[in-house]
Amino acid sequence: DTGVSQDPRHKITKRGQNVTFRCDPISEHNRLYWYRQTLGQGPEFLTYFQNEAQLEKSRLLSDRFSAERPKGSFSTLEIQRTEQGDSAMYLCASSFAGLDEQYFGPGTRLTVT
Amino acid sequence: KQEVTQIPAALSVPEGENLVLNCSFTDSAIYNLQWFRQDPGKGLTSLLLIQSSQREQTSGRLNASLDKSSGRSTLYIAASQPGDSATYLCAVKVEATGTASKLTFGTGTRLQVTL
Repeated sequence: DTGVSQDPRHKITKRGQNVTFRCDPISEHNRLYWYRQTLGQGPEFLTYFQNEAQLEKSRLLSDRFSAERPKGSFSTLEIQRTEQGDSAMYLCASSFAGLDEQYFGPGTRLTVT
Repeated sequence: KQEVTQIPAALSVPEGENLVLNCSFTDSAIYNLQWFRQDPGKGLTSLLLIQSSQREQTSGRLNASLDKSSGRSTLYIAASQPGDSATYLCAVKVEATGTASKLTFGTGTRLQVTL
């Protein structure tokens, strides 16, 4: 296992379409996080899972956003009815409860036209 | 609300110089602090993690210090190289009460090391 992976790496979509991103964490990590990063800014927290339970959600996560981690392994982040303001890099991270050092994936760059 | 500030926003140094990047945070009740490196258009690479009970951590040419009471951390890079050119981000995790586990990030320092 070489680290956190994300798919796709790039996504271009038209406004109003739905998109789904996937994150595969480091295999022994039980915590998984989603962050969003816009140009020139640091990442902002979206949501966090411990195993399959979604334990925390940011106010940034509007009703159009939903995240799942059905079996406590990979996670998906879906954005419905995309808007131009959703254009950003979506980053996934994982950690092992205890030390809790977070390891990030390469990100999915979303462009909404 | 925790706020994280990084100064300077950008820095250019000649190869071989030692340099210090600064990070400050408003709420001293942190659980840990992490320094990351980010190359343009890429994800984040974890450099160092400092627990709240620690004063510093070292990895190769990197040394990170933490003064929790004053809300400050520094990242020291010795003998800088062109390959160190990247954006450096610091992030803090609040004290773990209940389920709080998110990182709060600064906006980063963009470092360029010139030949």
